[in-house]
Amino acid sequence: GDSVTQMEGPVTLSEEAFLTINCTYTATGYPSLFWYVQYPGEGLQLLLKATKADDKGSNKGFEATYRKETTSFHLEKGSVQVSDSAVYFCALTDAGKSTFGDGTTLTVKP
Amino acid sequence: SAVISQKPSRDICQRGTSLTIQCQVDSQVTMMFWYRQQPGQSLTLIATANQGSEATYESGFVIDKFPISRPNLTFSTLTVSNMSPEDSSIYLCSVDDRGGYGYTFGSGTRLTVV
Repeated sequence: GDSVTQMEGPVTLSEEAFLTINCTYTATGYPSLFWYVQYPGEGLQLLLKATKADDKGSNKGFEATYRKETTSFHLEKGSVQVSDSAVYFCALTDAGKSTFGDGTTLTVKP
Repeated sequence: SAVISQKPSRDICQRGTSLTIQCQVDSQVTMMFWYRQQPGQSLTLIATANQGSEATYESGFVIDKFPISRPNLTFSTLTVSNMSPEDSSIYLCSVDDRGGYGYTFGSGTRLTVV
């Protein structure tokens, strides 16, 4: 079956540092890829998406590129803020079914 | 995107009792999903609920334990029945409001069973 593997957390960074959260996947079909963010006490929010190879999803300074050759969808941000502290989930949807990674907790310190 | 109101936001329940979680969507959606998120873990799909038909349950989840109702295109409930401490978790509803290109989630129900 499909699976999503995220880099283990937690990740702690200083404000304005560069962020990378690695995500790789396995899928039998041609999935769409997503990053969701979950702030404390809230549900998941869609952060960005990419629906085909080489697509780049971007939102709020975050970016991720759909790399079919490496089956990866790494999340990056050039300069993180304290307000980016949250749990980040990589996910895929394939044939109508979604699979989520285990989540990576990011803490940004001032 | 759709807006989902999920209630209750949290509850502490006695073992052996049942809790019903409600999700109200501000627009009509065909598919609604119920997930469980155990502490520090990822989301596990419990079932998919389509209006007018019985919910489809994933492996490891059964209707007697997690009955679901979907009376119309904007509302669904999930009941956690005969609860035990192992049911302590966050329960989330979500909808496919982007034609398969991303889901919108409710804010979750944090359930503690004592």
